[in-house]
Amino acid sequence: GQNIDQPTEMTATEGAIVQINCTYQTSGFNGLFWYQQHAGEAPTFLSYNVLDGLEEKGRFSSFLSRSKGYSYLLLKELQMKDSASYLCAVVDSNYQLIWGAGTKLIIKP
Amino acid sequence: GAVVSQHPSWVICKSGTSVKIECRSLDFQATTMFWYRQFPKQSLMLMATSNEGSKATYEQGVEKDKFLINHASLTLSTLTVTSAHPEDSSFYICSARDVLPYEQYFGPGTRLTVT
Repeated sequence: GQNIDQPTEMTATEGAIVQINCTYQTSGFNGLFWYQQHAGEAPTFLSYNVLDGLEEKGRFSSFLSRSKGYSYLLLKELQMKDSASYLCAVVDSNYQLIWGAGTKLIIKP
Repeated sequence: GAVVSQHPSWVICKSGTSVKIECRSLDFQATTMFWYRQFPKQSLMLMATSNEGSKATYEQGVEKDKFLINHASLTLSTLTVTSAHPEDSSFYICSARDVLPYEQYFGPGTRLTVT
């Protein structure tokens, strides 16, 4: 079966750095997305990785290792507004998005 | 980025009535649209995949006769919840997929409450 694992919840301090991990086992791989979802809102796009390595975009970076079936989202200089759920999703061989359950990130002052 | 609208943003209806939710891609043509349901504190659950001009593909456990999906044009898909019951109360989100890189653009969601 297809499976995506990410921690259920994480807590971090404002101004700090946090890394959210995602491991996957899917039938085929055509890229990995990270989405941010605030409570009561729809997900918004953060990043897309299809090749190995680190993609940096401002305070957010995303890393991919296809051989290890592993990705992480790195958030720097945390702000209170970063409190949200972060969803990892993989595009499988049928070009369908397989969703992880999401990681709820709590930022404390 | 591409914009997807959803209407209504919230709706309250009585048990036994039907509710229609519209999803529109505003600045691109979406051959494929997706309908998700999300219960409080849970992840997205894909209900069905909708391709323009053809029947929707429903995920296992989703009643196709209860959740009617119509994708009549490249910019519009509708989800009709028929004979709604309180357990259908949820946050319904649509998304539209661009060709590459298969990114899904999400609508703002519709919060349905069935009383």
